[in-house]
Amino acid sequence: TQLLEQSPQFLSIQEGENLTVYCNSSSVFSSLQWYRQEPGEGPVLLVTVVTGGEVKKLKRLTFQFGDARKDSSLHITAAQPGDTGLYLCADTNQAGTALIFGKGTTLSVSS
Amino acid sequence: GAGVSQSPSNKVTEKGKDVELRCDPISGHTALYWYRQSLGQGLEFLIYFQGNSAPDKSGLPSDRFSAERTGGSVSTLTIQRTQQEDSAVYLCASSLERGTNSPLHFGNGTRLTVT
Repeated sequence: TQLLEQSPQFLSIQEGENLTVYCNSSSVFSSLQWYRQEPGEGPVLLVTVVTGGEVKKLKRLTFQFGDARKDSSLHITAAQPGDTGLYLCADTNQAGTALIFGKGTTLSVSS
Repeated sequence: GAGVSQSPSNKVTEKGKDVELRCDPISGHTALYWYRQSLGQGLEFLIYFQGNSAPDKSGLPSDRFSAERTGGSVSTLTIQRTQQEDSAVYLCASSLERGTNSPLHFGNGTRLTVT
């Protein structure tokens, strides 16, 4: 069974700081997805990465996929309070029927 | 258009009672998923529907949990004889295509508290 480990579990920073969170898999990713979940809401897809070594940018967010497709990082530049939330990585399960999720990184950005 | 709608948003029930949670997916989405989210456990997959059939129900934790989907649309998740460990947020998601090739769209969940 594939395990997705995310680190750190919690991160509390000031507005304007940069940060990186990580997602590591016990096996090769099929296609890695990053979601953000705000309190009281469901997760929302940020990006999907498929190719090893791929880098995708979404405004101040930079997603990197490891060459071996077993790890990924999400870097946020100049964090803002609106970035506060739970960041989750996910992959397709072995049966190809559903996503499995890591436990997430809870980010708090204060002004 | 409207997103995934779940009801109720909050449910408090006594141990031993049955509860029904409802999910209205995005119109036209053929795939529907139920997940459970609790502190320290992350998002746990429960069941996947393609149309009205459930090809993967491997995540249902016990036979007290069941789900159905009718008309390829609305789904209900039923928990019988609720236990305190069933307390969690139950999230529903839908996607346009089968499997996970298209993005999952989540509802805001039902927060279930068993007292």
